Amino acid sequence: QKEVEQDPGPLSVPEGAIVSLNCTYSNSAFQYFMWYRQYSRKGPELLMYTYSSGNKEDGRFTAQVDKSSKYISLFIRDSQPSDSATYLCAMSDLNQAGTALIFGKGTTLSVSS
Amino acid sequence: DAGVTQSPTHLIKTRGQQVTLRCSPKSGHDTVSWYQQALGQGPQFIFQYYEEEERQRGNFPDRFSGHQFPNYSSELNVNALLLGDSALYLCASTPGPGVLAGELFFGEGSRLTVL
Repeated sequence: QKEVEQDPGPLSVPEGAIVSLNCTYSNSAFQYFMWYRQYSRKGPELLMYTYSSGNKEDGRFTAQVDKSSKYISLFIRDSQPSDSATYLCAMSDLNQAGTALIFGKGTTLSVSS
Repeated sequence: DAGVTQSPTHLIKTRGQQVTLRCSPKSGHDTVSWYQQALGQGPQFIFQYYEEEERQRGNFPDRFSGHQFPNYSSELNVNALLLGDSALYLCASTPGPGVLAGELFFGEGSRLTVL
């Protein structure tokens, strides 16, 4: 079992839809949870990060962490064609101490106008 | 303010050759990490450099080595290239070696193709 599992999609939605992206993980030591957006042929760009459990909102984006279920989500409201990209979840634990993030495979999202 | 810059953007090598990739961190950052992203996969951590020393290493063979210079820039070297080394190599920088979830910035990557 991989440490981080993420459905690669592809996921296709119409403009304005609510998008839900998810990851599950197996390492209970993970404390930091991040979502990155990666456009084609570009480097990953940090969208949101959360420490431990709970929700965090930033504009149209909401990140949720459920540590009891080892499950994290990213919601995108009022999706736009410019949101079309690959979304990567990433995690790390305090014991690891460093920049060694564990990434999921990424989910490819396509938003049509 | 320049972000993380990497060179070259694309390169093609043949099996058995050696390659060197370069990275300049974001202004104010002194720690550089390297990741390998194979097609259709998430990035995998290779190693981290801080104060010109390798501080942390992922599950990569010794064929992968690096260096950090006094100006904080870094190189990734891969020897005896294999077909499986074909990937996007990403450099990321942070203002310190600790886990700083909100301050890890990636460059655009160097795409290596091994024939």
